[in-house]
Amino acid sequence: AQRVTQPEKLLSVFKGAPVELKCNYSYSGSPELFWYVQYSRQRLQLLLRHISRESIKGFTADLNKGETSFHLKKPFAQEEDSAMYYCALEGGSTLGRLYFGRGTQLTVWP
Amino acid sequence: NAGVTQTPKFRVLKTGQSMTLLCAQDMNHEYMYWYRQDPGMGLRLIHYSVGEGTTAKGEVPDGYNVSRLKKQNFLLGLESAAPSQTSVYFCASTARLAGEQFFGPGTRLTVL
Repeated sequence: AQRVTQPEKLLSVFKGAPVELKCNYSYSGSPELFWYVQYSRQRLQLLLRHISRESIKGFTADLNKGETSFHLKKPFAQEEDSAMYYCALEGGSTLGRLYFGRGTQLTVWP
Repeated sequence: NAGVTQTPKFRVLKTGQSMTLLCAQDMNHEYMYWYRQDPGMGLRLIHYSVGEGTTAKGEVPDGYNVSRLKKQNFLLGLESAAPSQTSVYFCASTARLAGEQFFGPGTRLTVL
């Protein structure tokens, strides 16, 4: 069964520090993995997906199939990065269903 | 384009009352979803639809019903509301499998 685990409910860093939001998944096939972000008082939106292999707002995420991880990283956090981050997985015959982790609330202090 | 809209934005119900949440999208997307978001639980899929006239159960379907009579609309119904259904409800749509899901602004529902 598909499962997404985000071990950190809360994460705090200071501005300019590196940040890593962890995501581990369980899925037997080749998953599609995503990071969604929800800024305060805004709707959930896609941040990035592993197939595009791009950097959005300075964030990158690498799929590590050996460790079944898809951690989100940014070398220098900014205050505007404070938000709730969700890792999500889509795989197999799930007809476009996303399986979300429980989310990590990131706070970047000035 | 308005994208994905949800009606209403807020609602307070008493236990046993019924209501319908409306989701509308103007992007001609085939796939639509209803999620609930609860503290510490992330987003959990309630029901979804892969096209007009089709619906399927998600992870937490009990106590909810849905209908997709028109491609652009996806309705979520609560027949007899319970306090456990107090949550924030999000609708989403996507054009294709593994595509970006576009979310609505959410409906905050409180059941007393």
